[in-house]
Amino acid sequence: GAGVSQTPSNKVTEKGKYVELRCDPISGHTALYWYRQSLGQGPEFLIYFQGTGAADDSGLPNDRFFAVRPEGSVSTLKIQRTERGDSAVYLCASSLRAGLRAGELFFGEGSRLTVL
Amino acid sequence: KNQVEQSPQSLIILEGKNCTLQCNYTVSPFSNLRWYKQDTGRGPVSLTIMTFSENTKSNGRYTATLDADTKQSSLHITASQLSDSASYICVVSAERGANNLFFGTGTRLTVIP
Repeated sequence: GAGVSQTPSNKVTEKGKYVELRCDPISGHTALYWYRQSLGQGPEFLIYFQGTGAADDSGLPNDRFFAVRPEGSVSTLKIQRTERGDSAVYLCASSLRAGLRAGELFFGEGSRLTVL
Repeated sequence: KNQVEQSPQSLIILEGKNCTLQCNYTVSPFSNLRWYKQDTGRGPVSLTIMTFSENTKSNGRYTATLDADTKQSSLHITASQLSDSASYICVVSAERGANNLFFGTGTRLTVIP
């Protein structure tokens, strides 16, 4: 597609439920990032993929959070046993390459998660 | 510790006026600095990206400056428009590290008629 696509745009769930958020990066972009953004804050790093592998998952807050990118394109962020504190906007971004020569970073519109 | 601090946290200006947003960072070794505009409920959109050797870069009414010695950057908005109302986020890249992007918390700009 023309840009980074994220679905759903809004998700309301109950405490304790399982949630999946999907990110479809720009075609050909090898680097994919997940961020979490709370109201009035800057994006907080969660995990970064280079191809199919998670190059850095140090931002995942705990083992309830997991992300995959099995074919090096679409990525899914999975949250188990959701808690009210998980409520935030989850942003996905992709880049043609990463590291020292990182290209421009393109963001999706985000998935707003509300845990009741 | 790699950090990016932005000021002011929020700013209200009249339409047509100019304003300057500040970004100070401690990220090292420095690779590049980016300014993003984030409209409410939308994802961030890139305005400029500056490397070590660049002092000034413009994108329409937006002009970013970089002083790599003092580790400061500014974003100057000229002749503000209502559509400039948004959060402006400063992002600094380090030369090393798998996750080498460090985000500021943003400046919330409101332009009023």
